[in-house]
Amino acid sequence: DTGVSQDPRHKITKRGQNVTFRCDPISEHNRLYWYRQTLGQGPEFLTYFQNEAQLEKSRLLSDRFSAERPKGSFSTLEIQRTEQGDSAMYLCASSSGGASDTQYFGPGTRLTVL
Amino acid sequence: AQKVTQAQTEISVVEKEDVTLDCVYETRDTTYYLFWYKQPPSGELVFLIRRNSFDEQNEISGRYSWNFQKSTSSFNFTITASQVVDSAVYFCALPPGGYNKLIFGAGTRLAVHP
Repeated sequence: DTGVSQDPRHKITKRGQNVTFRCDPISEHNRLYWYRQTLGQGPEFLTYFQNEAQLEKSRLLSDRFSAERPKGSFSTLEIQRTEQGDSAMYLCASSSGGASDTQYFGPGTRLTVL
Repeated sequence: AQKVTQAQTEISVVEKEDVTLDCVYETRDTTYYLFWYKQPPSGELVFLIRRNSFDEQNEISGRYSWNFQKSTSSFNFTITASQVVDSAVYFCALPPGGYNKLIFGAGTRLAVHP
C-alpha cells in the first residue's frame, strides 16, 4: 500500500491569509484523522471522518477551521484568517476497521504564520 | 481522565547502550489499547507497536522490546544496543474507549551519539 500523503509539506503565510492542506489516506482506509502538533508537544486530535462523514471535532477546532472529506477519499483542512498561534505541524492519519485500530500517519504539513 | 505521561523529556546515550523509555497511563476503560510511535527528524510518525490490555506478555521485535504492566499502568519501551538511527522523539499513545482519536504523551527525545 502507498502510505498517507500530505500536501504541501511546508507552508509559509502571512497572518490573515487563508490556507488549505490536503491529505490522501491509504487507499481503502475508511477513517481519516487530523492532528495538530506544536513544538515539543505530542500531537493533539482535531477531527475525524468515517468515510465522508465528519463524526467528531475537538474544541481545538475553532470556527476558523473547516475540514472536508468529499466522496470519502482525500480530505482538506482549511484555516481561514490565520493567526500566529496556528503555526504548527498538521498531521493526517488513516485507519481501517474499529476505533482502536492502528492509525498510520502522513509526513505532515508544517505551517508557519508570519 | 485519560492521560499519558512520559516523564523523560530527553535522554542521551552513547551508541550500543541499552535505553528504556517510560510511559505511564491513566484510563477508566477496562479494555484498552496502547501504542508507541517514533518521530524521526523528518517529522513523520512511524507506528511501532499496538498492544491490547488483555495481553501482558512482553513483546520483542529485533532490538526493540516492550514491557506492559497493568498493575503499575506502565508500558515501557526498551531499545537494546542503541544505534544513531534510533535518534528520534518517541511517543506513547492511548485511544480512550469508544473515541476515535489518540491521546499522546509529550514524547521523549532520544539522542544516540556515536
